[in-house]
Amino acid sequence: QKEVEQNSGPLSVPEGAIASLNCTYSDRGSQSFFWYRQYSGKSPELIMSIYSNGDKEDGRFTAQLNKASQYVSLLIRDSQPSDSATYLCAVNTGFQKLVFGTGTRLLVSP
Amino acid sequence: DGGITQSPKYLFRKEGQNVTLSCEQNLNHDAMYWYRQDPGQGLRLIYYSQIVNDFQKGDIAEGYSVSREKKESFPLTVTSAQKNPTAFYLCASSKRSGDGYTFGSGTRLTVV
Repeated sequence: QKEVEQNSGPLSVPEGAIASLNCTYSDRGSQSFFWYRQYSGKSPELIMSIYSNGDKEDGRFTAQLNKASQYVSLLIRDSQPSDSATYLCAVNTGFQKLVFGTGTRLLVSP
Repeated sequence: DGGITQSPKYLFRKEGQNVTLSCEQNLNHDAMYWYRQDPGQGLRLIYYSQIVNDFQKGDIAEGYSVSREKKESFPLTVTSAQKNPTAFYLCASSKRSGDGYTFGSGTRLTVV
């Protein structure tokens, strides 16, 4: 079992819709969770971090964490074509480094 | 502005040649990391360092070497022992280990 799992996609949504990206992790001791956005050919950019159960909102982005289910998600409201990218989930399992999922490719069509 | 600078942006390596990728940060971050990204395989950790003059192997350290002589700098050498070095190399840093990373813009290495 991979430590951090994401559906590779692509996830296709129309402009203005809500995009829901999901991530599961295997280590129950994981402390902190991050979402990165990576445009094709570019480096990842940190867009959200979440440390406790529940929701965290920042603009059009909402991160949701459920430690009991070992599940973290990212919601993007009012999706725009510029949101088309690969979204990487990263988890701090307590060993001084982050473990990354392989990413979900999001396509937002005009 | 603070950030991480990776150079060069593109690098070509001949068979049997060692090459060094530069990574410099002015964020005053303690921890630095090197990742390799191949299509469809996500980010794989090569080496990381929590403090000057100390570093640890990641999941795919064979064929690579690093040094951490200064807090700001964490260069990566791709040696001739690395048989499949063509990839996108990403350097990252964080204030403390386990914090969210800031990434550099990456170096794309190609074997010719």
